[in-house]
Amino acid sequence: DGGITQSPKYLFRKEGQNVTLSCEQNLNHDAMYWYRQDPGQGLRLIYYSQIVNDFQKGDIAEGYSVSREKKESFPLTVTSAQKNPTAFYLCASSMTGGAGEKLFFGSGTQLSVL
Amino acid sequence: GENVEQHPSTLSVQEGDSAVIKCTYSDSASNYFPWYKQELGKRPQLIIDIRSNVGEKKDQRIAVTLNKTAKHFSLHITETQPEDSAVYFCAASQYNFNKFYFGSGTKLNVKP
Repeated sequence: DGGITQSPKYLFRKEGQNVTLSCEQNLNHDAMYWYRQDPGQGLRLIYYSQIVNDFQKGDIAEGYSVSREKKESFPLTVTSAQKNPTAFYLCASSMTGGAGEKLFFGSGTQLSVL
Repeated sequence: GENVEQHPSTLSVQEGDSAVIKCTYSDSASNYFPWYKQELGKRPQLIIDIRSNVGEKKDQRIAVTLNKTAKHFSLHITETQPEDSAVYFCAASQYNFNKFYFGSGTKLNVKP
């Protein structure tokens, strides 16, 4: 699978620790997104970015931070302030972030708390 | 903000039968409605979408219908096959930005 790559596949966090999830895309897409997926719930938007060096909070941004220093990279940091971080995290991209564009998803990272 | 509800949460059908998954949305400004399929252990992938100026769209065995007045849209899968088994998510978004609100997902099990 090319296109959008997430790593690691599995990640464990100790209490009080910050962890960073990687997301890289080679699709030359301007827009990138982070979603959180919990069992029995839909995907919820954490952060999104339409252009390098700019990003916006989604619906559940508290306890998370992101950066967009390069077009192809959009790492997500889960901080110690996120009290319930156990979830499946999906990164996605779309061409420009305009309305009605197809989202391309990565294969996800499962984050668990030790 | 937008609220998307999806039913049923699980659906079991016999191979060859049809399956219907329904979603409702709350914000009349939403105008783009995609459906994503997520097979076990894999990434979600777009299978079909519909825009608010269209009432129905078909692609081989799958179809989506939209009722703007009632604010609901549905996914129809005919002649189901075991490889259709997956979790299906509906979503709604608005014209100003590609920000999606997803339903909670439907786990479809097609029994051979």
